[in-house]
Amino acid sequence: GDSVTQMEGPVTLSEEAFLTINCTYTATGYPSLFWYVQYPGEGLQLLLKATKADDKGSNKGFEATYRKETTSFHLEKGSVQVSDSAVYFCALIRMDSSYKLIFGSGTRLLVRP
Amino acid sequence: NAGVTQTPKFRILKIGQSMTLQCTQDMNHNYMYWYRQDPGMGLKLIYYSVGAGITDKGEVPNGYNVSRSTTEDFPLRLELAAPSQTSVYFCASTYSGGSNTEAFFGQGTRLTVV
Repeated sequence: GDSVTQMEGPVTLSEEAFLTINCTYTATGYPSLFWYVQYPGEGLQLLLKATKADDKGSNKGFEATYRKETTSFHLEKGSVQVSDSAVYFCALIRMDSSYKLIFGSGTRLLVRP
Repeated sequence: NAGVTQTPKFRILKIGQSMTLQCTQDMNHNYMYWYRQDPGMGLKLIYYSVGAGITDKGEVPNGYNVSRSTTEDFPLRLELAAPSQTSVYFCASTYSGGSNTEAFFGQGTRLTVV
């Protein structure tokens, strides 16, 4: 079945460091791919998305490119801030009659000043 | 525009008690979902609905029930609460926008069963 695998956390970085969080997926067909962010005590917010191969999603300095050949959607940011500390979830949406979101296990990011 | 609204935000239940988690959305979305998030884990799908009057099981439906009598509301019922149901519950909705489909989430309900 469809699945999403993302790197284990926590990831601890110093402010202004480069961030990569790896995400790979298994799916039939051509799913849309998402990164959601969850700040402490809050719900999930959409960070960025990509709907087809080679699309690049971007928002708030974060980027991810839909790579069909490697079935990956890695999240990157050139210079992280303390305010980026959160849990990041990679997800795909099944393009069938259910439109179910399938999530990875989440990666906690901690950015130190 | 309120989006997806969940109530209550927090609840403590005793083992064997029942409760209903409320979820309502004002975006006229056909698709609605209930997920649970256990500590350090991703989100697992409990139940979902593709429209009023239609519901189906997700990965972890045992111990839960749902109904969908209107497009707006999708309540989740816990019967005979157990400690294993201690979790954070998220309701979500989406529209069938093809490849542009995007899910919107409520703020969550933190449930503790003691």
